[in-house]
Amino acid sequence: EAQVTQNPRYLITVTGKKLTVTCSQNMNHEYMSWYRQDPGLGLRQIYYSMNVEVTDKGDVPEGYKVSRKEKRNFPLILESPSPNQTSLYFCASSLQGAGGYTFGSGTRLTVV
Amino acid sequence: AQSVTQLGSHVSVSEGALVLLRCNYSSSVPPYLFWYVQYPNQGLQLLLKYTSAATLVKGINGFEAEFKKSETSFHLTKPSAHMSDAAEYFCAVSGQGGSEKLVFGKGTKLTVNP
Repeated sequence: EAQVTQNPRYLITVTGKKLTVTCSQNMNHEYMSWYRQDPGLGLRQIYYSMNVEVTDKGDVPEGYKVSRKEKRNFPLILESPSPNQTSLYFCASSLQGAGGYTFGSGTRLTVV
Repeated sequence: AQSVTQLGSHVSVSEGALVLLRCNYSSSVPPYLFWYVQYPNQGLQLLLKYTSAATLVKGINGFEAEFKKSETSFHLTKPSAHMSDAAEYFCAVSGQGGSEKLVFGKGTKLTVNP
């Protein structure tokens, strides 16, 4: 089944403790992206990647890192999480030029 | 640059009534336009997309949307609401020609009353 898989689905952590949210897609898509969703703000792009080893900042990149060493994987790294990063995170992938993303099921992160 | 405005953060309709969710966009290049639906505690699912073919686009679950360039609009409609349509709906825009950045509106929560 074609899908984007994120892990974990739920995560509670403490301020400053490094964490990684994994994302993997099995559709051979070139384009991958991370979004965060907050009430009243919709979805905002954090980082995106147009292919292996090619990443760029989205609209809200502060406090996040990404890497794209393989086409299928695009992990999101929070080196020192803070409470304002409490949010619902979505990974998505797209075939270049086709328009439209396939989304993962989301990761609900709480930083206390 | 692209942006999306969804009019109405909450819309309430009766079961069987027309659903109309409004979306206006701004784009400096010919756009691709999308509607996504998010059911509670789930990810986003693509309802339909406009990619410069027919201006009236039919999607899943009986939804459709019409691209109106002169009005920069892409409103979502369904003739008869069903209880299962209760969800949050997001309009999104990206640029044609290889730019995959997707810009979302803030969403409209649809309530369907029995």
